[in-house]
Amino acid sequence: DSGVTQTPKHLITATGQRVTLRCSPRSGDLSVYWYQQSLDQGLQFLIQYYNGEERAKGNILERFSAQQFPDLHSELNLSSLELGDSALYFCASSDVNTGELFFGEGSRLTVL
Amino acid sequence: DQQVKQNSPSLSVQEGRISILNCDYTNSMFDYFLWYKKYPAEGPTFLISISSIKDKNEDGRFTVFLNKSAKHLSLHIVPSQPGDSAVYFCAAPPPQGGSEKLVFGKGTKLTVNP
Repeated sequence: DSGVTQTPKHLITATGQRVTLRCSPRSGDLSVYWYQQSLDQGLQFLIQYYNGEERAKGNILERFSAQQFPDLHSELNLSSLELGDSALYFCASSDVNTGELFFGEGSRLTVL
Repeated sequence: DQQVKQNSPSLSVQEGRISILNCDYTNSMFDYFLWYKKYPAEGPTFLISISSIKDKNEDGRFTVFLNKSAKHLSLHIVPSQPGDSAVYFCAAPPPQGGSEKLVFGKGTKLTVNP
């Protein structure tokens, strides 16, 4: 158990819909990262938040957005979903001292 | 542009033998490399790392070798155990710094047969 909690674990929805994935970092960690793992891709960095503010942006589509709340949990919003958005979405938080990343179990999104 | 490449999607070895997982990178500015291990239905977990000032780092049954001139690193597991069956990702933080933007390979699925 990494201490990073993600919900839901599985989600099936239709094209054009919008979903929200939720992540709670490890206690004491201020940074939250979102990654996408598609079938034919490695883990792709999407976005990072640090203490409520966006810190770094990766290959995140404009249809996707994220935020980190005062209690440090984060949400990744995916809208106008397409078949190609089907993937595993991982959240991670980093140890404030070592920088080591701790990943959640992921949310598997299936777009039909 | 895949800066970190794991060209073998899968590898199968017998229990007790050596597993060698390979990783190539294109950016010569990478100076730190990590290996992550991922079991089904779990997130990746950190396994072992190596700095570019070293050519070898060993931790128990796991050893990572770095060949900077060839831009190649490998993870050796010896002896391999069935519990090592997992997907292994090679990763590197970008030269501009920040582990947040770790660049991952596509992963190699290792199966260790009893």
